[in-house]
Amino acid sequence: QLQLQESGPGLLKPSETLSLTCTVSGGSVSSGGFYWDWIRQPPVKGLEWIGSISYSGSTYYNPSLKSRVTISVDTSTNHFSLKLNSVTAADTAVYYCARRRGRDYYYYMDVWGKGTTVTVSS
Amino acid sequence: DIQMTQSPSTLSASVGDRVTITCRASQRISVWLAWYQQKPGNAPNLLIYKASSLESGVPSRFSGSGSGTEFTLTISSLQPDDFATYYCQQYNTYPLTFGGGTKVEI
Repeated sequence: QLQLQESGPGLLKPSETLSLTCTVSGGSVSSGGFYWDWIRQPPVKGLEWIGSISYSGSTYYNPSLKSRVTISVDTSTNHFSLKLNSVTAADTAVYYCARRRGRDYYYYMDVWGKGTTVTVSS
Repeated sequence: DIQMTQSPSTLSASVGDRVTITCRASQRISVWLAWYQQKPGNAPNLLIYKASSLESGVPSRFSGSGSGTEFTLTISSLQPDDFATYYCQQYNTYPLTFGGGTKVEI
């Protein structure tokens, strides 16, 4: 059974870089036909899609964050990562990683990690 | 970006009630819509994909319908475990976008 686990620092100062890793177990990030995504949820708010990487390394980012975001995949360690530059208090959120499955151009999130809380504060 | 609007934002119901949540897209998205359930402190859980396909393991009291811009999630007989927040999400076009959520409470 596929499981995802987020990890990374829980507290950052403004202007620092957020770096999170999603470790995949029970499956492979290099499996064809899936996308690997990051989503966040600010406190007491809704869900915001950050971006995605395909098994082949193609990336898709939310334009609202695109200038600050990099998503990468490491097939040797079976994980994918998120970097978000120049964080502010507005980046405080629970960050989730997720797998998307589907076919053709249409993929939906079917497996989620438990989430990790990131707080940005001076 | 495609805006997803859910209504109502909060819904008060009782065990056994039939519950319907509506999701409207600002542009046509065919059937490329998913529904998720989220309980406090937990990650979202997939209920429905492709507007009306029930995810494996999800109880049959959950059902989805709609296409184009109007979609609904129905719970035929609300159970105690169903009190949660529900989100719709379109995956027709990047950026992927979510509705604001509907909290189902007693």
